[in-house]
Amino acid sequence: LAKTTQPISMDSYEGQEVNITCSHNNIATNDYITWYQQFPSQGPRFIIQGYKTKVTNEVASLFIPADRKSSTLSLPRVSLSDTAVYYCLVAEGFNKFYFGSGTKLNVKP
Amino acid sequence: EAQVTQNPRYLITVTGKKLTVTCSQNMNHEYMSWYRQDPGLGLRQIYYSMNVEVTDKGDVPEGYKVSRKEKRNFPLILESPSPNQTSLYFCASKGTSSYNEQFFGPGTRLTVL
Repeated sequence: LAKTTQPISMDSYEGQEVNITCSHNNIATNDYITWYQQFPSQGPRFIIQGYKTKVTNEVASLFIPADRKSSTLSLPRVSLSDTAVYYCLVAEGFNKFYFGSGTKLNVKP
Repeated sequence: EAQVTQNPRYLITVTGKKLTVTCSQNMNHEYMSWYRQDPGLGLRQIYYSMNVEVTDKGDVPEGYKVSRKEKRNFPLILESPSPNQTSLYFCASKGTSSYNEQFFGPGTRLTVL
């Protein structure tokens, strides 16, 4: 049983803000939520992680509501180079990781 | 340069012929892990290691073995490969203080005929 559910694909245009939502209804108390980015023929790359509320770094923001059953990755002003697959994953403690199927983001000019 | 390396990058083999995919990291990370990636299924964790001589099963360990004799190396062993193990394999590592930030290798594409 998948621990996370996210849209299969999304389209956007350059300069827009993109929000990708992930559902994790069965998240456990100790689980963190982490997002990765993957380009074709490369390994995933860490973007951001959080436990609750809002987390922001230089590339993205992560919003987690109080019930923690979902999370939203926000990418400000996307460019063509942000075209990639984005994975939401739940970590069981800090050792076991469950990747979702990923959201393929296509940024158009 | 801080990195995770995997060898080989591409491998075609036949059913039942034992193989090893090597993984090495130069970041002195305690934690290492192996994943397989299949179309439509995302990445699934095979095994992980929290430190030398400490390994545990991930989500899909059947048909695989691992060992962690040195901190920097975490080889993945397929004793008797089968066609359903045809996949893209990734090794990853992280430090104990980095929570869930894993650093991934470039991947090994394995085909079992």
